[in-house]
Amino acid sequence: GAVVSQHPSWVICKSGTSVKIECRSLDFQATTMFWYRQFPKQSLMLMATSNEGSKATYEQGVEKDKFLINHASLTLSTLTVTSAHPEDSSFYICSARDILEGNSNQPQHFGDGTRLSIL
Amino acid sequence: GQQVMQIPQYQHVQEGEDFTTYCNSSTTLSNIQWYKQRPGGHPVFLIQLVKSGEVKKQKRLTFQFGEAKKNSSLHITATQTTDVGTYFCAGGSGYSTLTFGKGTMLLVSP
Repeated sequence: GAVVSQHPSWVICKSGTSVKIECRSLDFQATTMFWYRQFPKQSLMLMATSNEGSKATYEQGVEKDKFLINHASLTLSTLTVTSAHPEDSSFYICSARDILEGNSNQPQHFGDGTRLSIL
Repeated sequence: GQQVMQIPQYQHVQEGEDFTTYCNSSTTLSNIQWYKQRPGGHPVFLIQLVKSGEVKKQKRLTFQFGEAKKNSSLHITATQTTDVGTYFCAGGSGYSTLTFGKGTMLLVSP
């Protein structure tokens, strides 16, 4: 159980393109999903917390207009990297917490991640 | 803000040797979680510790949570090549988010 599907797994596109990444909880509902960014051999850096039915909470230094987050249902959150540039190339990973599990005292279930390469 | 420090950053051992990674938080934690990320993969939840002084075991893996709930360790006995990956600790403070340590990359040579 607790499967999170992330799509696409790999994106290569030209500079200036907007890229949408989907994160779905397949067998549970999630009021909260998290978006992380990971550079090679680095840790997971939380970008934003996606809340179903309300605005996302962004971490300091993360541009809201650059990284658009939509959490329209209890099973789907999307991250759109707008007008992507080479410096946005990274590994983006989402995670979700089961609605029944409440707060941070429960594990996060991670998607497989999306490798984004901007040429 | 809360910071979680993890050492060492990297360790290379021979198969059969033991391995330990340590995690320290700048603030008292409500819980600590451990994740393993294989090369090219995504983090996979291993375990959660909640109680002060708690010790949990999963086969060759032993997890400890400090008495002050500010530090934790993961010890692997007799490593195997399948243990290769990066081990992350993540501290929870009672809010919804976790703060991840930088991770310890483990390489095991046969």
